Amino acid sequence: GEDVEQSLFLSVREGDSSVINCTYTDSSSTYLYWYKQEPGAGLQLLTYIFSNMDMKQDQRLTVLLNKKDKHLSLRIADTQTGDSAIYFCAEIISGNKLVFGAGTILRVKS
Amino acid sequence: GAGVSQTPSNKVTEKGKYVELRCDPISGHTALYWYRQSLGQGPEFLIYFQGTGAADDSGLPNDRFFAVRPEGSVSTLKIQRTERGDSAVYLCASSGQDPRGELFFGEGSRLTVL
Repeated sequence: GEDVEQSLFLSVREGDSSVINCTYTDSSSTYLYWYKQEPGAGLQLLTYIFSNMDMKQDQRLTVLLNKKDKHLSLRIADTQTGDSAIYFCAEIISGNKLVFGAGTILRVKS
Repeated sequence: GAGVSQTPSNKVTEKGKYVELRCDPISGHTALYWYRQSLGQGPEFLIYFQGTGAADDSGLPNDRFFAVRPEGSVSTLKIQRTERGDSAVYLCASSGQDPRGELFFGEGSRLTVL
């Protein structure tokens, strides 16, 4: 099927690390993505990883990819209250169709 | 503006009515996508245009839904005989030639069918 699965909710304290996990379905996906959706705003690309990479670091963000298990994770270091949002994992299937997971709500407590 | 623009931002209609939702993509973007997002769910793919043609319409739920992009820029999503289950936020996105395939999303049109 085309289900991208992610945990629904994560609550962390400000300053802690957050880890959001995702499993995807298509082993031929060339890119895998993390999108962020803030209240009342459109989705924005947060980061991405090319399928031939195991890890990508971008400032406070670290993306880990395990192709064998089709597992993708997003780690946010030193999580801030402004990081509170919904995070969507997404993969490309059938060439150009981006398929999203249901989203993980990240709540950061100060 | 420079982003993807969607109108109306909110639409309330009655069951059985016809609705049109408009998307104005980023200038120069050849690919345009429509997604539907229900409360508590991720965006669900509806249709993808490359230029004027629908390259993949496999996500349209039934024949009440139709989308056009006659000049390869603005697109209209048309819903006939609306049902309460059509209530959702309809998202439009566009992308250019970037091989990463980044989609740029509009803020969506919230449709409520009473």
